[in-house]
Amino acid sequence: ETGVTQSPTHLIKTRGQQVTLRCSSQSGHNTVSWYQQALGQGPQFIFQYYREEENGRGNFPPRFSGLQFPNYSSELNVNALELDDSALYLCASSLMGANTGELFFGEGSRLTVL
Amino acid sequence: KNEVEQSPQNLTAQEGEFITINCSYSVGISALHWLQQHPGGGIVSLFMLSSGKKKHGRLIATINIQEKHSSLHITASHPRDSAVYICAVREGSQGNLIFGKGTKLSVKP
Repeated sequence: ETGVTQSPTHLIKTRGQQVTLRCSSQSGHNTVSWYQQALGQGPQFIFQYYREEENGRGNFPPRFSGLQFPNYSSELNVNALELDDSALYLCASSLMGANTGELFFGEGSRLTVL
Repeated sequence: KNEVEQSPQNLTAQEGEFITINCSYSVGISALHWLQQHPGGGIVSLFMLSSGKKKHGRLIATINIQEKHSSLHITASHPRDSAVYICAVREGSQGNLIFGKGTKLSVKP
């Protein structure tokens, strides 16, 4: 067990709706990153938050947004859902600046958009 | 061409066999991660490498920075090793993680 928890584990939405996914990071970790994994593909980096500020973003449109809270937990918000947003969404926590930089992943939230 | 390439894509082995999964990358990196993903979706970090070799139990990971290549070896493979193994590189010092597509390993008893 990594100490990183994600919720919800599964959800179904329809096109055009909005979704919020949540991630609580491992205790002491100040960095959280989010990834989208389509079926049969490797994860794709969405963005990363460090001390409540976005400090890196992948090739995702602005309707993908996020937040990191003072306790370092995080949210991923997706507006105007499209069918192609159906995927497993993973978050990972780490300690920025640590020599190890090891990542701890949650179990993921599986989103289906109909 | 993907920045991180893994081979093979699929691998079937008999229990007890020695397994090698390869990862090649084309960007400058500060670290390379080997990850294990089981069918439920959760990902476990196996190794983080920036040079040389690391060993944990039956797993060995090596990296050659000059050749931009890493290998993950599993000795005495077991059916519980069946999973998708993913190579991911961190571009630059604090850059994004770039993932390979994964190698699906199936170990038969």
